[in-house]
Amino acid sequence: AQSVTQLGSHVSVSEGALVLLRCNYSSSVPPYLFWYVQYPNQGLQLLLKYTSAATLVKGINGFEAEFKKSETSFHLTKPSAHMSDAAEYFCAVIIGSSNTGKLIFGQGTTLQVKP
Amino acid sequence: NAGVTQTPKFQVLKTGQSMTLQCAQDMNHNSMYWYRQDPGMGLRLIYYSASEGTTDKGEVPNGYNVSRLNKREFSLRLESAAPSQTSVYFCASSELRGRYNEQFFGPGTRLTVL
Repeated sequence: AQSVTQLGSHVSVSEGALVLLRCNYSSSVPPYLFWYVQYPNQGLQLLLKYTSAATLVKGINGFEAEFKKSETSFHLTKPSAHMSDAAEYFCAVIIGSSNTGKLIFGQGTTLQVKP
Repeated sequence: NAGVTQTPKFQVLKTGQSMTLQCAQDMNHNSMYWYRQDPGMGLRLIYYSASEGTTDKGEVPNGYNVSRLNKREFSLRLESAAPSQTSVYFCASSELRGRYNEQFFGPGTRLTVL
């Protein structure tokens, strides 16, 4: 069965520091992977997606993620954290058909950015 | 272009009451979804509709029903609310395109069942 695991429910960094949010997946077929961000009291917004075109995926707001098949990982990074990055981040994988499949979400990681 | 809209934003129910959560999208998407979000559990799929006229169960369908009223609208009904259904509910939609399934989310409905 396909699933994702996010390591660390809460990550705290200082403003300007590297952001690293971890996501590992399990999938018996090449996965389609996503990172979503949820700002307080809002819905989810797509940050970036991996669809096998390139292993390093760049998203919005300076975030990027690298697909590593050997490690079954899709970690999210940003070189320099900004206060506005404080939010909850979800990794997700598609199950079923790539056109009509359903998203399975990880448990979420709350990012705190300290001044 | 409002994207995905949900009503109401907040709701408090007593155990046993019923209510319908409304969702509409103006992006001409084929697929629509209902999720619930609970602390530490991410989002879990309740029901989805791959296209107008079809609905299917997701991971946690018990206690819910859905109606795909037309291509734009997908409602979620709680027939007899229970405290375990206290949650934040999100509706999402996606267009069948290419080889991926980017979903667009509404702002959510915060439901409390007393």
